[in-house]
Amino acid sequence: EAQVTQNPRYLITVTGKKLTVTCSQNMNHEYMSWYRQDPGLGLRQIYYSMNVEVTDKGDVPEGYKVSRKEKRNFPLILESPSPNQTSLYFCASRTTPKSYNEQFFGPGTRLTVL
Amino acid sequence: RKEVEQDPGPFNVPEGATVAFNCTYSNSASQSFFWYRQDCRKEPKLLMSVYSSGNEDGRFTAQLNRASQYISLLIRDSKLSDSATYLCVVNTDTGRRALTFGSGTRLQVQP
Repeated sequence: EAQVTQNPRYLITVTGKKLTVTCSQNMNHEYMSWYRQDPGLGLRQIYYSMNVEVTDKGDVPEGYKVSRKEKRNFPLILESPSPNQTSLYFCASRTTPKSYNEQFFGPGTRLTVL
Repeated sequence: RKEVEQDPGPFNVPEGATVAFNCTYSNSASQSFFWYRQDCRKEPKLLMSVYSSGNEDGRFTAQLNRASQYISLLIRDSKLSDSATYLCVVNTDTGRRALTFGSGTRLQVQP
């Protein structure tokens, strides 16, 4: 089944404790993104990757890191989480950067930083 | 001004009603337009693309007005299962090749 998977689905942590949210897609997609969704603000892009080893900042990159060592995986790293990073996070992928076709989303990770 | 603006709603309509949502976008160079559906606390999923000539998929009709920079979604014969948040999505013509999402319009169909 074609899909984007994320783990964990739910996470409660404390300020400053490093965490990683994994993302994996099995569709051989080149373009991958991380979004956060907050009430009234919609989905905002954190980081994106146009292909392996090519990553760049989105709209709200502060406090986050990513890597793209393999085509299928795009982990999101919070080196020192803070309460303002409490949010619903989605990983997404689509075929290529130039093709604005359907974007597939993972099921989401609900993060709470205390 | 937000790049993509939508009325947040909620729109509360009875079953069988026709409901329309509008969305405006700010970048006149945008070329690709979509409606996504998001159920509560779930991931967004593509509902339909929006083409220049307008397009229909069953009970759903999407229209694009480039001159006024707005997109619309019409739902006829609303079902309870249509209750969700509808996200207007537009490509941003930047190096990021990003899709910009509106905040969404919430629809609640009532029995």
